[in-house]
Amino acid sequence: EAQVTQNPRYLITVTGKKLTVTCSQNMNHEYMSWYRQDPGLGLRQIYYSMNVEVTDKGDVPEGYKVSRKEKRNFPLILESPSPNQTSLYFCASSLSMGHRNTIYFGEGSWLTVV
Amino acid sequence: DAKTTQPPSMDCAEGRAANLPCNHSTISGNEYVYWYRQIHSQGPQYIIHGLKNNETNEMASLIITEDRKSSTLILPHATLRDTAVYYCIVRSDYKLSFGAGTTVTVRA
Repeated sequence: EAQVTQNPRYLITVTGKKLTVTCSQNMNHEYMSWYRQDPGLGLRQIYYSMNVEVTDKGDVPEGYKVSRKEKRNFPLILESPSPNQTSLYFCASSLSMGHRNTIYFGEGSWLTVV
Repeated sequence: DAKTTQPPSMDCAEGRAANLPCNHSTISGNEYVYWYRQIHSQGPQYIIHGLKNNETNEMASLIITEDRKSSTLILPHATLRDTAVYYCIVRSDYKLSFGAGTTVTVRA
């Protein structure tokens, strides 16, 4: 089954403790991205990747890092999480960057930073 | 990306068709209209997309006006499981810019 898989789905962590949210897709997609969703602000893009070893900032990249060493994986790294990064995070992927290609989303990761 | 305008909420009776309007008066020639929905806080689910012609798939139909300034998503026989926030998005590049969407409540 074609899917985008995120882990963990739920996490409570403390300020400053590094964490990684993993994302994996099994569709051989070139394009992957991360969004965060906050009440009243909707979904906003954090980072995206056009292909292996190619990443770029989205609309709200501050406090986050990403890497794309393999085509199927696109982890989101919070080096020093802060409470304002408490949010619902979604990973997404698409065959390529073109706007004709449908973007598929994972089920989300709830992150709470205390 | 062009801005879209959707009603904040609408109700629909179970088994009836749900018609969701979207205005995108500033859409340009190469921009696609995409529809997604989000049930509770699950990942946004792709529904349908189109450029100029009307489109239909197993989930819904998309009607785009001839001038492309507005569109309507049609859920032919709404069920309780169609209760969700529906997003109309005009897309010209690599990302999706989500607005507030329309909260659709299907009532028995």
